[in-house]
Amino acid sequence: AQKITQTQPGMFVQEKEAVTLDCTYDTSDQSYGLFWYKQPSSGEMIFLIYQGSYDEQNATEGRYSLNFQKARKSANLVISASQLGDSAMYFCAMREGRTNAGKSTFGDGTTLTVKP
Amino acid sequence: NAGVTQTPKFQVLKTGQSMTLQCAQDMNHEYMSWYRQDPGMGLRLIHYSVGAGITDQGEVPNGYNVSRSTTEDFPLRLLSAAPSQTSVYFCASSSRNDRPRTEAFFGQGTRLTVV
Repeated sequence: AQKITQTQPGMFVQEKEAVTLDCTYDTSDQSYGLFWYKQPSSGEMIFLIYQGSYDEQNATEGRYSLNFQKARKSANLVISASQLGDSAMYFCAMREGRTNAGKSTFGDGTTLTVKP
Repeated sequence: NAGVTQTPKFQVLKTGQSMTLQCAQDMNHEYMSWYRQDPGMGLRLIHYSVGAGITDQGEVPNGYNVSRSTTEDFPLRLLSAAPSQTSVYFCASSSRNDRPRTEAFFGQGTRLTVV
């Protein structure tokens, strides 16, 4: 069965500094996708970044990058140059299989607070 | 673009009442899902659908029914509301294609309270 573990319930970071949010996963499937979503206090879910299990390079999307270590089954999110607007809940999620079946498993999330 | 639209945004029910949460998407996505989010937790899959006429159970299906008569709509029915169903409900859709990255698009959520 799929499982996502986010071990940091809360994190604090100073504005303009970088922060790493941890995510480990467990799956027996060789083909899977890993996603990070941001949930601000307003409640919506915002897609941030994706990493495929067969991707050889770490994914990057602007200030977001994913530190993918397949052997360790970890997919940590790195946010560079934190901004006050980055304060939110962040979820790591996984989807098994090459095709999208609409089924994702989510971790319990990490609340990030950016201090001015 | 409307994307994924959920109605209502807020709802209070009495124990034992039934209701339907509506979800509609205008992106012609094949896949649709319902999740619930309890305080301080991640999203848990209730039911999902891979196309019109096809639905299946997720991790926490008890007390909920779904149907998918059209590609656009995926309503979630609470049969007899219980306080344990107090939660925020999210509907999501995604496309079936061969691109490796197919993120889910989420609705704004429905905050349901059962008293």
